[in-house]
Amino acid sequence: AQSVTQLDSQVPVFEEAPVELRCNYSSSVSVYLFWYVQYPNQGLQLLLKYLSGSTLVESINGFEAEFNKSQTSFHLRKPSVHISDTAEYFCAVSGGGATNKLIFGTGTLLAVQP
Amino acid sequence: DAGVTQSPTHLIKTRGQQVTLRCSPKSGHDTVSWYQQALGQGPQFIFQYYEEEERQRGNFPDRFSGHQFPNYSSELNVNALLLGDSALYLCASSLLRGSGYTFGSGTRLTVV
Repeated sequence: AQSVTQLDSQVPVFEEAPVELRCNYSSSVSVYLFWYVQYPNQGLQLLLKYLSGSTLVESINGFEAEFNKSQTSFHLRKPSVHISDTAEYFCAVSGGGATNKLIFGTGTLLAVQP
Repeated sequence: DAGVTQSPTHLIKTRGQQVTLRCSPKSGHDTVSWYQQALGQGPQFIFQYYEEEERQRGNFPDRFSGHQFPNYSSELNVNALLLGDSALYLCASSLLRGSGYTFGSGTRLTVV
C-alpha cells in the first residue's frame, strides 16, 4: 500500500526567507509524485510533479522539489517566499497507469509573515 | 478551455437526507475521480469512473455511490447523510492512462 507523510502541519516563515516543506512516501512500486496547493475555500491546483527523468522538478512560480528514491522523499523548496504563497500544500503519490488514484498527505500550512 | 466544473458550490442538508453532487470533466478527459476532504485533512479517494463503470473504490461505505454518463460527466450520491459526511467534495478528471489530474473547486457539503 502507498502512503504519504507530511510531518509538519504548519510552517511559519518570514517573507523573503527560504522554506522547505517535507514529504516522505511509502510504496512498493514505482510512483509518480505531486505537490498541490490549496488556497482558502478553493480546490487543488497542481504545483509540480515528478513522473520520470530528472529528479529535480520546478514550477513556474519559483518552487522546486527533488525526488530522492533512497530516502523516499519529495521535499518542496522555495528560496524566497512571498505573502501570496500562504496556503495549504499537499504532497501526493500515485502508482500511475491503471492504478492512478492519488494518495494525499495531511497537508502543511505555509504561513508567510511580513 | 473549461476546466473541471462542479455544482453546486455549497449546500446544506439535514441528517438522513440524500444528496447528489455533479461534475463536468475537463475537455478531452475520460476519467473522473471523487475525493472527500474533511476540515483540516488531506483529500481521501472515494472512487473512480471510466467508461461509465466504477473502476476503483476507496474505503467508503455503500452509502456513497456514483455514476458516469456517456459525455464523461459524473455524479456522486450520498444516502442517509451523517454529520461526519460534512466535507469538501472534490472532483478530479484525467486520462485513464495519463498522469495529470485537474481538480474542480469542490462542493462544500454541510450536514446539520
